[in-house]
Amino acid sequence: EDQVTQSPEALRLQEGESSSLNCSYTVSGLRGLFWYRQDPGKGPEFLFTLYSAGEEKEKERLKATLTKKESFLHITAPKPEDSATYLCAVQAVPQGGSEKLVFGKGTKLTVNP
Amino acid sequence: ETGVTQTPRHLVMGMTNKKSLKCEQHLGHNAMYWYKQSAKKPLELMFVYNFKEQTENNSVPSRFSPECPNSSHLFLHLHTLQPEDSALYLCASSLQEAGVEDEQFFGPGTRLTVL
Repeated sequence: EDQVTQSPEALRLQEGESSSLNCSYTVSGLRGLFWYRQDPGKGPEFLFTLYSAGEEKEKERLKATLTKKESFLHITAPKPEDSATYLCAVQAVPQGGSEKLVFGKGTKLTVNP
Repeated sequence: ETGVTQTPRHLVMGMTNKKSLKCEQHLGHNAMYWYKQSAKKPLELMFVYNFKEQTENNSVPSRFSPECPNSSHLFLHLHTLQPEDSALYLCASSLQEAGVEDEQFFGPGTRLTVL
């Protein structure tokens, strides 16, 4: 069974204090790993897709990396507007079914000014 | 704006009511999804439609009934719900085309409360 575990559950940072969020996964065959940001009362907003170990993608203060077992979302010099819940999801190579996403519970990030 | 809209945004219903949630995507996508998001739990996939055909039913109780009349519209019909069905219901869509990066785009969700 495909599984996604995110840690920590919650993270408080001071503005400018860099850190990383972790997403560990087990999947029969990885087709893609997705990072989303979700603000309270809103739907998840797509950030990145990673497909193979060693791949990295960046967007503003965020950088996502991927290994064969986990992904990290690095946040450099965060600002209060980066506060949100960050969701990780994996998509397995389809085996007779649809290519569904399996989500983790998310990491709630709070950045204090 | 992600190009996926959902109505209503908030819904309160009794256990004997019948209501419907509506989702519309303006992205030209071929696949549409219903998810349930409860507190402290991961997003749970409920249904998947590809080109209007249901391809996934994730063991969802029959009191939830999806309908996909075309590739742009998706409905979730609700009847005789239970209080534990209270949650945020999210609709998503994706291109679902071979060889193309296939992220899912989500709507803002419908916050459902069952009394």
